[in-house]
Amino acid sequence: DQQVKQNSPSLSVQEGRISILNCDYTNSMFDYFLWYKKYPAEGPTFLISISSIKDKNEDGRFTVFLNKSAKHLSLHIVPSQPGDSAVYFCAASAGGGATNKLIFGTGTLLAVQP
Amino acid sequence: NAGVTQTPKFRVLKTGQSMTLLCAQDMNHEYMYWYRQDPGMGLRLIHYSVGEGTTAKGEVPDGYNVSRLKKQNFLLGLESAAPSQTSVYFCATTGNGETQYFGPGTRLLVL
Repeated sequence: DQQVKQNSPSLSVQEGRISILNCDYTNSMFDYFLWYKKYPAEGPTFLISISSIKDKNEDGRFTVFLNKSAKHLSLHIVPSQPGDSAVYFCAASAGGGATNKLIFGTGTLLAVQP
Repeated sequence: NAGVTQTPKFRVLKTGQSMTLLCAQDMNHEYMYWYRQDPGMGLRLIHYSVGEGTTAKGEVPDGYNVSRLKKQNFLLGLESAAPSQTSVYFCATTGNGETQYFGPGTRLLVL
């Protein structure tokens, strides 16, 4: 039972255009969401996060949008750059507490074409 | 300040052999985690620790054991390796309870 879903295994965009990566979740207890970027042969690196009390968080070229009613979040990258080519993982957490466990989606491979 | 390091980077085992993967962090974080990443499966939590001397099972704990004798180290053991344990293993740590920081990974091939 996949609680965090990334239904697009891959996405290709042109340099300078917007990249939109999507993520859906099923567990209404999730209250914190994160995006990680992963290059081949490296560990995932934290990109941006959002709390469930917000609907938008922006950091430079990266913006995450959260739609709680639809249980959907998206990551927007504007403008996209070739160096953004990587696998992007969406992750969710349910209330921190004593464990702070994350549930990850299966990832979306973004290819930014020069 | 190395952050999170993992040893070894790559290992080949034969079925039935044992090994230990080491994760070390210099961030003074309480929480540490072991994940495995398989194609099309994302990252799945194997075991985790909320502090020195504590461990708990994650989503896919079978076939693995862990120990957290020192705050900075989290060991993942495979007592009798199986081909199904061929994977990339990532260690992560967090101090504030939200963002987890990952090591570079260990690639394990079990023949």
